[in-house]
Amino acid sequence: GAVVSQHPSWVICKSGTSVKIECRSLDFQATTMFWYRQFPKQSLMLMATSNEGSKATYEQGVEKDKFLINHASLTLSTLTVTSAHPEDSSFYICSAPGQGTQETQYFGPGTRLLVL
Amino acid sequence: DQQVKQNSPSLSVQEGRISILNCDYTNSMFDYFLWYKKYPAEGPTFLISISSIKDKNEDGRFTVFLNKSAKHLSLHIVPSQPGDSAVYFCAASGDTSGTYKYIFGTGTRLKVLA
Repeated sequence: GAVVSQHPSWVICKSGTSVKIECRSLDFQATTMFWYRQFPKQSLMLMATSNEGSKATYEQGVEKDKFLINHASLTLSTLTVTSAHPEDSSFYICSAPGQGTQETQYFGPGTRLLVL
Repeated sequence: DQQVKQNSPSLSVQEGRISILNCDYTNSMFDYFLWYKKYPAEGPTFLISISSIKDKNEDGRFTVFLNKSAKHLSLHIVPSQPGDSAVYFCAASGDTSGTYKYIFGTGTRLKVLA
């Protein structure tokens, strides 16, 4: 099946710094990728839809200047958490829709971010 | 506004018995419904899905039922196995506000007791 990778798998950073998370589709092209955030014991919250060649679409309440998304190619989307604060600590997951269908999507393994 | 709801945060079932996980939704524009299984610190993995034009889809031990009039779907796992212990998310997909999206429920933690 299709594989989506994320890098890094975990990161610890100081408050005020920026962190970039990469999401790659390894064996298929993805014109759209989704970025989710999961808080402990809560649902996966859709943050934004990343579109190759155009601006990302952010969900209500998500600061686009805080969470910068760049869909640089058909296999790579990046999420940059700018000026990170401890409340940004979370588990970030990306996904890409299945090929030829919107029935399924393939998830990356997630990136755990801890901001000190 | 929670468009997809899983009202049971946890469920315990004896090994070999049936596990039934429930999910309710509010938006009639959803056209696919999906179930994902998630272990801690990992991304969700796809289990089974159902199109809004069907009322049942079966794949091995997993069956999903859809009741459109009630806006309700359920996942049946039979027989349940200890390895099924995980958090299960239901998700609904469709074109909402001009963008195709996947909306997740809050998850149900299933524990299968040996």
